[in-house]
Amino acid sequence: EVQLVQSGAVVEKPGESLRISCKASGYSFTTYWIAWVRQMPGKGLEWMGIIYPGDSDTRYSPSFQGQVTISADKSISTAYLQWSGLKASDTAMYYCAKSSGPTRHFDYWGQGTLVTVSS
Amino acid sequence: QTVVTQEPSFSVSPGGTVTLTCGLNSGSVSISYYPSWYQQTPGQAPRTLIYRANIRSSGVPDRFSGSILRNKAALTITGAQADDESDYYCVLYMGSGLYVFGTGTRVTVL
Repeated sequence: EVQLVQSGAVVEKPGESLRISCKASGYSFTTYWIAWVRQMPGKGLEWMGIIYPGDSDTRYSPSFQGQVTISADKSISTAYLQWSGLKASDTAMYYCAKSSGPTRHFDYWGQGTLVTVSS
Repeated sequence: QTVVTQEPSFSVSPGGTVTLTCGLNSGSVSISYYPSWYQQTPGQAPRTLIYRANIRSSGVPDRFSGSILRNKAALTITGAQADDESDYYCVLYMGSGLYVFGTGTRVTVL
């Protein structure tokens, strides 16, 4: 059974660094892209970027390029989303999602990680 | 900048039919954009409904169907039920590993 299990909710202060995780199981982690999606409170879904864990090839939405870093550790089948200086505007729910491959859709989703940035 | 536009909201009666659309500011949507559709209820992760424009994901009821309609991707709910009341998002593949979500449509069943 394919599962994406995300790390738990966090509360951080502005300016802090943060890394959240998405642990995959039930499929070959290195052969499917994994994406990150943001949902700000009361707003829609936004595609942030995607990584191919096999070679760490990473692509970013222009809106998120330089704002976050996506990485993966294939030894533990885990993808990461990190910030080096959080802002209040980073407060959101973040989802990871597995890409299907040739049909280019997201077939499995993590449960989401709520990130709250507040002083 | 790429903008993918959906209707903000629709209301449909139980048993009724509603068609949501997904348009692209730079031109027509075709199957080469691999349109996909997702349903999200409050507090839940998105659920995949349709991919490659018209293929239903496993377990999705056949009252949900996808198509390309007048240069837009479309999601039709035929025989709407109360638990179809959700937010619906389309996603387009823009090439080079990049994707864009649509603005989302809130469907109310009443």
